[in-house]
Amino acid sequence: QQQVKQSPQSLIVQKGGIPIINCAYENTAFDYFPWYQQFPGKGPALLIAIRPDVSEKKEGRFTISFNKSAKQFSLHIMDSQPGDSATYFCAASSGGATNKLIFGTGTLLAVQP
Amino acid sequence: SQTIHQWPATLVQPVGSPLSLECTVEGTSNPNLYWYRQAAGRGLQLLFYSVGIGQISSEVPQNLSASRPQDRQFILSSKKLLLSDSGFYLCAWALGATDTQYFGPGTRLTVL
Repeated sequence: QQQVKQSPQSLIVQKGGIPIINCAYENTAFDYFPWYQQFPGKGPALLIAIRPDVSEKKEGRFTISFNKSAKQFSLHIMDSQPGDSATYFCAASSGGATNKLIFGTGTLLAVQP
Repeated sequence: SQTIHQWPATLVQPVGSPLSLECTVEGTSNPNLYWYRQAAGRGLQLLFYSVGIGQISSEVPQNLSASRPQDRQFILSSKKLLLSDSGFYLCAWALGATDTQYFGPGTRLTVL
């Protein structure tokens, strides 16, 4: 019940395409859903995050869609660029004093020029 | 602004040797601190977290230990490294009242 399931494991798109990465969770106590971007040899960086009170959030070319009833959320990257090639992790947290995040297994995205 | 540091950046150690990785945070007080391990091509495994000085919670039984001797310092240690301890070790911090975790640059550990 503490898992966050992420798919696909890897994804290849052409420049300008819209890659979509999906995540699903079971724990209804989760109330914070961030996405992290990680380049090889670097630490993950927060990309965008959403809470269950909204169904969509946009920041630049990145959009999170959230479906509370289905317990699913997804990341869309508009007009993808080769510089977006990285590993993307979804995560979930139920907050509290520890702020523990449960991470998905990651999606390796390659955007071909 | 807040900054998180980790050192060393890379480390190659023989099996059976000790380990000490250090993480420090600047620009904030009383952060929550976390140690993660990431195997090659894999996700992030939470190893330890701390909500205050001297307070350490372990997530996974293993060959490692953690300590927090100062408010903004988090140390990951081992008395005797195993081959399976190889990986990319990441430290992260978060403010107690918020959910966002911010990661450091990581330490690449190779045990031979």
